[in-house]
Amino acid sequence: GAVVSQHPSRVICKSGTSVKIECRSLDFQATTMFWYRQFPKKSLMLMATSNEGSKATYEQGVEKDKFLINHASLTLSTLTVTSAHPEDSSFYICSARDLAGGFYEQYFGPGTRLTVT
Amino acid sequence: GQNIDQPTEMTATEGAIVQINCTYQTSGFNGLFWYQQHAGEAPTFLSYNVLDGLEEKGRFSSFLSRSKGYSYLLLKELQMKDSASYLCAVMDSNYQLIWGAGTKLIIKP
Repeated sequence: GAVVSQHPSRVICKSGTSVKIECRSLDFQATTMFWYRQFPKKSLMLMATSNEGSKATYEQGVEKDKFLINHASLTLSTLTVTSAHPEDSSFYICSARDLAGGFYEQYFGPGTRLTVT
Repeated sequence: GQNIDQPTEMTATEGAIVQINCTYQTSGFNGLFWYQQHAGEAPTFLSYNVLDGLEEKGRFSSFLSRSKGYSYLLLKELQMKDSASYLCAVMDSNYQLIWGAGTKLIIKP
């Protein structure tokens, strides 16, 4: 089946620094990638939708200058949390959609747990 | 607005059967997904329904009624490893997934 990788799996950073999270589709081309955030015991919250070669579409309430998304190729999207603060600590999950087969399943990466101290 | 409702938590016994319901109101419908998520891990795909009826896949089955805006996930022969959160998600007319809050399933021996 389709595999999506995410790196790093865990990161601890100091307040004020920036953190980059990579999301890669390993065996398919992902025209669309999604970035989610999940708080403990809560459901997934869509942050933005990223289409290869174009600007990401951010959900209401998500600061685009704080959460920079780049989808430079059909297999890679990155999320950069700029000037991170403790309230940015969360579980960040990416997913990728492969439309080649005409099926709209999203394949999820394993997630990145960010802790800002 | 768009809304997905599912119970917050359910408890069942090992070896038994449990049904997790999901009702939805969305702008358009392009299918309903069920995902399983263990604590601290990303969701994994369980099923996809776009037509009315029951889809069976091993111990798991998923049912859809589009006219009622209703789906359920049926888990048979429950095992301890089935303890997880089960997320219902509907793909709307823009092919965006609208997520429910998830149902935490607790399996007791």
